[in-house]
Amino acid sequence: ILNVEQSPQSLHVQEGDSTNFTCSFPSSNFYALHWYRWETAKSPEALFVMTLNGDEKKKGRISATLNTKEGYSYLYIKGSQPEDSATYLCAFIANTGNQFYFGTGTSLTVIP
Amino acid sequence: ETGVTQSPTHLIKTRGQQVTLRCSSQSGHNTVSWYQQALGQGPQFIFQYYREEENGRGNFPPRFSGLQFPNYSSELNVNALELDDSALYLCASSAGQGGASGYGYTFGSGTRLTVV
Repeated sequence: ILNVEQSPQSLHVQEGDSTNFTCSFPSSNFYALHWYRWETAKSPEALFVMTLNGDEKKKGRISATLNTKEGYSYLYIKGSQPEDSATYLCAFIANTGNQFYFGTGTSLTVIP
Repeated sequence: ETGVTQSPTHLIKTRGQQVTLRCSSQSGHNTVSWYQQALGQGPQFIFQYYREEENGRGNFPPRFSGLQFPNYSSELNVNALELDDSALYLCASSAGQGGASGYGYTFGSGTRLTVV
């Protein structure tokens, strides 16, 4: 069983603060890492698909980095806004299969 | 038609009953994956269907079964329901079998199953 961990489990920040979360995954058999944003009662929304060590991806105020050798990815949100409040999930795919191994998510609440 | 649609959104079943959950995949997608998210956990892989054939299965017992139809929609069937089957069931479609395709997966908003 592959173990994917996310930290922190939950986070409360003030509007305008910048924040970051961590996703840890096995450093062997890496194929891809996905980040999702998931608002309550909605569908998880794809943020990034990361496949190469050293990848850095950006979408607006959100960015992500990837280190496959040490098995971690960071998600950064610059200048958090209330609409950023959601659960952020990472999902690891090994080169031995075709399934996602999800972390338990980081729940972000941005306080106006 | 865009997006992934799951039905029903909520349902309540009694222990021992059978349930069928449905998923319509996004237009152009030929792969459907099902995940179970129990309370406090990340989604767990149940199985994947690619062009109507099962294409990988997670650690779930045989009473969890599925189908994919020629239009690539899918069903998840669970027999002999147990209390621990209470969870959110997510369906995701993709264009191809691998998550590194670059297209990612499109998820539905899930079916909340409660077993009493």
